[in-house]
Order: sequence, then structure tokens, then C-alpha cells
Amino acid sequence: AQSVSQHNHHVILSEAASLELGCNYSYGGTVNLFWYVQYPGQHLQLLLKYFSGDPLVKGIKGFEAEFIKSKFSFNLRKPSVQWSDTAEYFCAVTSFSGGYNKLIFGAGTRLAVHP
Amino acid sequence: DTAVSQTPKYLVTQMGNDKSIKCEQNLGHDTMYWYKQDSKKFLKIMFSYNNKELIINETVPNRFSPKSPDKAHLNLHINSLELGDSAVYFCASSQDPVSQQFFGPGTRLTVL
Repeated sequence: AQSVSQHNHHVILSEAASLELGCNYSYGGTVNLFWYVQYPGQHLQLLLKYFSGDPLVKGIKGFEAEFIKSKFSFNLRKPSVQWSDTAEYFCAVTSFSGGYNKLIFGAGTRLAVHP
Repeated sequence: DTAVSQTPKYLVTQMGNDKSIKCEQNLGHDTMYWYKQDSKKFLKIMFSYNNKELIINETVPNRFSPKSPDKAHLNLHINSLELGDSAVYFCASSQDPVSQQFFGPGTRLTVL
């Protein structure tokens, strides 16, 4: 079965530090990849997505992610984090099952940014 | 305008009760979903409907029964609530089963 692994469960950074959150998936076929963010007390919002084309994807709020097919990875990066980036970050992959795609989420990474 | 809305936002109830959570989307999407987020923030799909037809059912206990009266609504009814049902339930919708999903604000269910 398709699975998604996020290696860092809890990350603590100071403002202006660089961020990289790891995401690996298990499916060997064609995938669609997503990063969602959940700010405290809020719903999930899409940060960025990869369907095809340029493997370096730019998202909102200065985030980017790189799809490396050979490594089954889709790591999220931001060169300089802000206090307002404090949130839970979820990597997700579509899995084709029973004729339909479904979204499989990783366990999430909690990011805390200190001023 | 709220794209995907859920009611109620909070629901506190006793074990054994039956409760419903409602979801509505005004995006004109054909596909809707229910996800459960447990206390460790792990998100897992429960159901998906496409054009009012069930297309994904992730071995959820049959105490959970989704109902889609029309394409804009997907309600979740839960019978005989158990402590383990305490979670945040998120509704989502997408244009079709392969497109980007848009999430609602969530319903925090607490079973006492």
C-alpha cells in the first residue's frame, strides 16, 4: 500500500533560519505530490503541488519543494522562516486505488519558529 | 465567501449517542471527502463521494454513515459514539477525484 513518511515530527527554529522538511513516499508509479499547512486552530491550506514538469515547485509564502523521482522524495524548503510559519506541515501523495485517486497523508511535522 | 463549510465547529457528546456533522461546498465540485485527524494530528481519509456516489470507503466502522443528498453536500452520521471517535473531522471537495482538494475548517468532536 502507498505510504508517506515525514522524518521530522517536531522542528524548532529561530527566525531567519533555513528550513527543510523531509518527505518520502513508497509508490513507484505516477504520483501527484502536495504540501499542506495547518496553522494553529485552522484548516488545511495548500502550500504547493507537483503534477508534472519542472521538479522544482514554487508555492505560496516563499516555500518551494523539489521532486526527486529517484529518491521518492518531495522535500519542502524555505530559505528564511518567520514566526508566522509556526504550523503543522503535511506531505501528501495521491494513490490510485479502485479506479480513483485518494490522498495519503504523512504524519505531519510540527514547526515552531521562535522570534 | 466560505468555499467548504462544516457545522458544527465543536461537538461534545456522551458515549452511545448518535450525532451528525454537515458539510457544504459552494465551489461546484463533483467530489467530496471526509477525513479524520486523530490526537496525534494524523490525517486519514474515511469516505469519498463523486456525483453523490460512494467511491472510497476506507474500512470505517459501519457506525459511520455518510450521506450525500446532492453534489454540494456530504453529511456524516455517527451512531453509538465511542471514546475513540474523538477527533477533528475534515470535509474536503475537489472538481473531480484527481484534482486538488479544498478543505473545510474541521469539526472537533469530543466524546465523553
